[in-house]
Amino acid sequence: AQTVTQSQPEMSVQEAETVTLSCTYDTSESDYYLFWYKQPPSRQMILVIRQEAYKQQNATENRFSVNFQKAAKSFSLKISDSQLGDAAMYFCAYSHSNTGNQFYFGTGTSLTVIP
Amino acid sequence: ETGVTQSPTHLIKTRGQQVTLRCSSQSGHNTVSWYQQALGQGPQFIFQYYREEENGRGNFPPRFSGLQFPNYSSELNVNALELDDSALYLCASSRRWGSPKDTEAFFGQGTRLTVV
Repeated sequence: AQTVTQSQPEMSVQEAETVTLSCTYDTSESDYYLFWYKQPPSRQMILVIRQEAYKQQNATENRFSVNFQKAAKSFSLKISDSQLGDAAMYFCAYSHSNTGNQFYFGTGTSLTVIP
Repeated sequence: ETGVTQSPTHLIKTRGQQVTLRCSSQSGHNTVSWYQQALGQGPQFIFQYYREEENGRGNFPPRFSGLQFPNYSSELNVNALELDDSALYLCASSRRWGSPKDTEAFFGQGTRLTVV
């Protein structure tokens, strides 16, 4: 079975600084996707960034980037120039490429942004 | 805001009762997935519906059941409610096939179920 582990229950960062959230996963599959989702107090999960496992290049979306280490099964999220609006729960998630968004989520990291 | 809406937003039920939660999928989406998120935990996959058929199920007992309608909206039914069923229930809609960008999942704001 696939498992996703987030070992940092809480993180904090100063506004405008950079923070990295960690995620490891376990799977025997070779073709899969990895995601970072943000869940603000409104409860709605919002996609931050997605990485296809077959791609060696790390995904980037504006201030958000990932460090995908396939052999180590590691998938960290870097947030640059942190903003107050980045404060939220962040969940790392895995899905197999042919199961259509059947996600396995980690337990989440609560990010606080300090003004 | 996504086009995925869930109702009701909050619900209180008594142990042993039955509950139905509803999810309206985003226009153009044919797949709906349901997740249970207990307090302080990540969401857990319950099941997925594609074109009105169940298309995958997580580790949940049969008292968790669902439906998908021709307009691709969906219901989650839970029978014989237990205290541990108290959670936020999220649905997500998406297209089943296409590029990763085309098949992005969009989540609703969830239904908070409290079982007393």
